[in-house]
Amino acid sequence: DGGITQSPKYLFRKEGQNVTLSCEQNLNHDAMYWYRQDPGQGLRLIYYSQIVNDFQKGDIAEGYSVSREKKESFPLTVTSAQKNPTAFYLCASSIGGEGPYEQYFGPGTRLTVT
Amino acid sequence: SQQGEEDPQALSIQEGENATMNCSYKTSINNLQWYRQNSGRGLVHLILIRSNEREKHSGRLRVTLDTSKKSSSLLITASRAADTASYFCATHLAYSGAGSYQLTFGKGTKLSVIP
Repeated sequence: DGGITQSPKYLFRKEGQNVTLSCEQNLNHDAMYWYRQDPGQGLRLIYYSQIVNDFQKGDIAEGYSVSREKKESFPLTVTSAQKNPTAFYLCASSIGGEGPYEQYFGPGTRLTVT
Repeated sequence: SQQGEEDPQALSIQEGENATMNCSYKTSINNLQWYRQNSGRGLVHLILIRSNEREKHSGRLRVTLDTSKKSSSLLITASRAADTASYFCATHLAYSGAGSYQLTFGKGTKLSVIP
């Protein structure tokens, strides 16, 4: 089965702790993305990577970090510096090259920080 | 501010009726895409329309694009209760830079189809 997996589905953490969200794809896509979704806010881009060992900040990168050591994997770390980390986090991937850049999404991870 | 803005924010219709959602954007695009999200789930790609196309169909979906007005509409015909979801437009900007794959998403229209 081809697709994107995110784990865990629900995650609970205490304030001040770093937490890493997993994202894996077996679609052989070059590009991967992390979005944050808050109620009524739509999707906001946190980080994206167009190729292994390279990634770029999105619109709301502060308090987050990523790595892209393998084509299949793009983990997101929510650090203690993120002021309001409770949200629904979505990972996506797409082909590179000439596009058209349709994105395939994982099922999401709902993070609650108390 | 968002590149794409959907209208209305929420829409409630009876099963069997048609549902129309609109998306407006600000800057020139290469393509515009519509996605669907069921509550608490990831987004699913529905349809893509390129900037040189005016209309596309896929099953019960019809998408139009008017680049002069910087707007698009998604029509779902003969709606079903299973169409209940949020619908998002996403744009790939024409001046994204070499090899840029990013999409910019709107805030979505929440569609409720009442059986």
